[in-house]
Amino acid sequence: GAVVSQHPSRVICKSGTSVKIECRSLDFQATTMFWYRQFPKQSLMLMATSNEGSKATYEQGVEKDKFLINHASLTLSTLTVTSAHPEDSSFYICSARESGGAYGYTFGSGTRLTVV
Amino acid sequence: RKEVEQDPGPFNVPEGATVAFNCTYSNSASQSFFWYRQDCRKEPKLLMSVYSSGNEDGRFTAQLNRASQYISLLIRDSKLSDSATYLCVVTWSGSSASKIIFGSGTRLSIRP
Repeated sequence: GAVVSQHPSRVICKSGTSVKIECRSLDFQATTMFWYRQFPKQSLMLMATSNEGSKATYEQGVEKDKFLINHASLTLSTLTVTSAHPEDSSFYICSARESGGAYGYTFGSGTRLTVV
Repeated sequence: RKEVEQDPGPFNVPEGATVAFNCTYSNSASQSFFWYRQDCRKEPKLLMSVYSSGNEDGRFTAQLNRASQYISLLIRDSKLSDSATYLCVVTWSGSSASKIIFGSGTRLSIRP
C-alpha cells in the first residue's frame, strides 16, 4: 500500500527557533497533503491542507505566518513552525491519499515537537 | 455542533465481548467514511473503509446510515489487542477543496 514518510520523528528545540517537518509520499503522487496536530489525550485537529503548486488552506484559528507550509512537488510537503514557543509542543502528523487509491488516507509516523 | 461526533468512552469490556461505537456527522454532502485505529503515541492506521452496503472484515463490521448520518463499528469476540482509540473519519470534496474531519475518538479497553 501507499507509504508516507515523515521526519524527524522527534525534535526538541529552544523557544524562538524554527523547526521544519518533512512529509514525503513514497511510490505515489499526492497533489494534496494534510497536516494535523494532536495534543495529549485529544483528537487529531486538521491544521491545513497543502496543495501542490499553490498556497495551503488553513483551518480557522491556525496562524499561516507561524505554520509555513510548502508543497513544492507531488511527493513532498513541509511544515515549518516558526518562532516556536512551548505551547507549540505537540504531535504533528501529515497524511496523503493516493489518487484513486482505495486505502483511505495514509499517515506519516508523526513528529513529536518539544519546545523548551 | 461538531462536524463529527463520537462517544469518547472509555469503553471497558471483557475479552470476548461484542462492542459497538457510533459516530455522527453533520454534513449531508460528506462522501467517504473510514474507521481508524490509533494506539497510544502512534499515528492513526486505517482499520476499514465504510460503505453504504456495509462491510465486514473478520471480527469487524462497519455500517453507514446516510439517512440518519451516522457510521458504526462493531467488534465481535474482542481481543486484548483491540485496546486502542478508534477514530471515525468523514471526508468531503468539492470542486476546489477537500476536507477530512476526524472524530475525537472512542477509547476502548479490553480486560482479561
